[in-house]
Amino acid sequence: DAGVIQSPRHEVTEMGQEVTLRCKPISGHDYLFWYRQTMMRGLELLIYFNNNVPIDDSGMPEDRFSAKMPNASFSTLKIQPSEPRDSAVYFCASSLTGGLGYEQYFGPGTRLTVT
Amino acid sequence: SQQGEEDPQALSIQEGENATMNCSYKTSINNLQWYRQNSGRGLVHLILIRSNEREKHSGRLRVTLDTSKKSSSLLITASRAADTASYFCATGKGSNYKLTFGKGTLLTVNP
Repeated sequence: DAGVIQSPRHEVTEMGQEVTLRCKPISGHDYLFWYRQTMMRGLELLIYFNNNVPIDDSGMPEDRFSAKMPNASFSTLKIQPSEPRDSAVYFCASSLTGGLGYEQYFGPGTRLTVT
Repeated sequence: SQQGEEDPQALSIQEGENATMNCSYKTSINNLQWYRQNSGRGLVHLILIRSNEREKHSGRLRVTLDTSKKSSSLLITASRAADTASYFCATGKGSNYKLTFGKGTLLTVNP
């Protein structure tokens, strides 16, 4: 299995621009999680999906952030408009119901820099 | 608020020594997991321990869980330079699959 795939790996954009991060979970996994990691705040859960349905988006910082999962093999996290404080590494992870139950498999992350 | 808090924040040891990291949490859980993150990479799952378990082993890893003290420890025996990484504990509760991560312990193993 290729593991969780994220693109792009690095993104540099100017303040005010729209940013779209992409994630392909492991085939067959029914949970998908989006995290943000910064030195100051550590690893924060932004939103997670089960069977393509958003379950908990309480970690999404504000309305500038939105996430979708149109099918079982693809999810996007969009920031519009982006701000310098959004600079962070964004991780996608997936999990399988009934496996170990809770083990999450992480992608390599997207390093976002907003100037 | 963060559920898991690792201690120490940073640990530096010599190759061959054992490394012990601790995690404390605040509310009841049904499982606790440890993950490793190498610099610039995603997190990798190491081991999971359920709330009704007290100790678990996997290779050179030993995890303990004390639910009465709401704490866990991760022991890496005979450490290697390749063990240099950040180690995170994560707690799960309830019937959902959501995890809450601590801020991690940065382990440096010097050759």
